[in-house]
Amino acid sequence: AQSVSQHNHHVILSEAASLELGCNYSYGGTVNLFWYVQYPGQHLQLLLKYFSGDPLVKGIKGFEAEFIKSKFSFNLRKPSVQWSDTAEYFCAVNVHNNNDMRFGAGTRLTVKP
Amino acid sequence: GAGVSQSPSNKVTEKGKDVELRCDPISGHTALYWYRQSLGQGLEFLIYFQGNSAPDKSGLPSDRFSAERTGGSVSTLTIQRTQQEDSAVYLCASSTTGTEISDTQYFGPGTRLTVL
Repeated sequence: AQSVSQHNHHVILSEAASLELGCNYSYGGTVNLFWYVQYPGQHLQLLLKYFSGDPLVKGIKGFEAEFIKSKFSFNLRKPSVQWSDTAEYFCAVNVHNNNDMRFGAGTRLTVKP
Repeated sequence: GAGVSQSPSNKVTEKGKDVELRCDPISGHTALYWYRQSLGQGLEFLIYFQGNSAPDKSGLPSDRFSAERTGGSVSTLTIQRTQQEDSAVYLCASSTTGTEISDTQYFGPGTRLTVL
């Protein structure tokens, strides 16, 4: 079945540590890729997105993600996390020309001060 | 400006009862989406409205689920004869056109539904 997989359910890091959250998808064809973030008590909001062009995408708050087509991956990275990055992160895939957005199960990130 | 709003924020109901969940999208947004987030699960697409077009209902899990969007704005998600497995957070999102893949979806705060 087509799906979006996020490998880590809960990641705990200390401030200034580097972050990489995995995301793999199983859809063929052209896809659009997203990372959403949900801070405690807040709405889901877009962190970054990839549609075409440079596979390394820069988002808000120093986050970036790299689309590796051969690996069907779109991992999220940040070189140095802050306590305020504590949140739940969702990877999402939209198959081109399809209204159906598929989300991963989410990864909860806890950053210790 | 005002974001996507949803009501109620929490709903507790008894098994077998019907519930209605409401979504007010951002003014001017023509596309509206409903998702369901169950404990430990990702967001599950339910239904999509775009303007006056027929909705994409491909994600609705059963015929107990239905949704309407009146006047191209407010939407109501109705769950009939609720079951315990319907317990989840129901999220609504809207976007400017829905036909451009680059549109960003803006999410509401969700309605937490608990079926006893």
